[in-house]
Amino acid sequence: GENVEQHPSTLSVQEGDSAVIKCTYSDSASNYFPWYKQELGKRPQLIIDIRSNVGEKKDQRIAVTLNKTAKHFSLHITETQPEDSAVYFCAASLSGYALNFGKGTSLLVTP
Amino acid sequence: SAVISQKPSRDICQRGTSLTIQCQVDSQVTMMFWYRQQPGQSLTLIATANQGSEATYESGFVIDKFPISRPNLTFSTLTVSNMSPEDSSIYLCSVSRGGDEQYFGPGTRLTVT
Repeated sequence: GENVEQHPSTLSVQEGDSAVIKCTYSDSASNYFPWYKQELGKRPQLIIDIRSNVGEKKDQRIAVTLNKTAKHFSLHITETQPEDSAVYFCAASLSGYALNFGKGTSLLVTP
Repeated sequence: SAVISQKPSRDICQRGTSLTIQCQVDSQVTMMFWYRQQPGQSLTLIATANQGSEATYESGFVIDKFPISRPNLTFSTLTVSNMSPEDSSIYLCSVSRGGDEQYFGPGTRLTVT
């Protein structure tokens, strides 16, 4: 089955800096890669996703890149703000099927 | 996205009892899934809830312990049977409307004493 590795497990940045979270996946058949943000006590929220026919996608301060050959994808957050502090999960799946999640990255943005 | 509700939002149960968790969506969805999130951990898929047929379980999860129903395209239940303290966790349903995007319910926080 699919195995998703996520690094780092914790990340602390100063407000205004950039944050990068990296994931690798094992199953070359996976073609859908979402990122979720989970604040304490809340449900995971889909923040951005990318499909295997695209190399990069941006949404304001958030971007995701995908390298299919190397089987890794990354989340980039620019101009971080304290409200970006949360746990971020990457996931991989075959389109329409259940998600396989990484172990999560706890991001702390300090003012 | 979809409006997803879960009942109960939390419960404290005694060892050996069972709890049924409900997941209700405001409109028809194609796929419904059940995940478990243990404290401070990631999300682990329990099963895919199939409408009109038996659920598809992941390795390590069995129907006798986690029976699932999905009678229609907007509703599913997960039962946690014969509970032990190791079942203490957050249980989340997620739904998809046929596209790739999956959206999560608010979760049910279960504590087994």
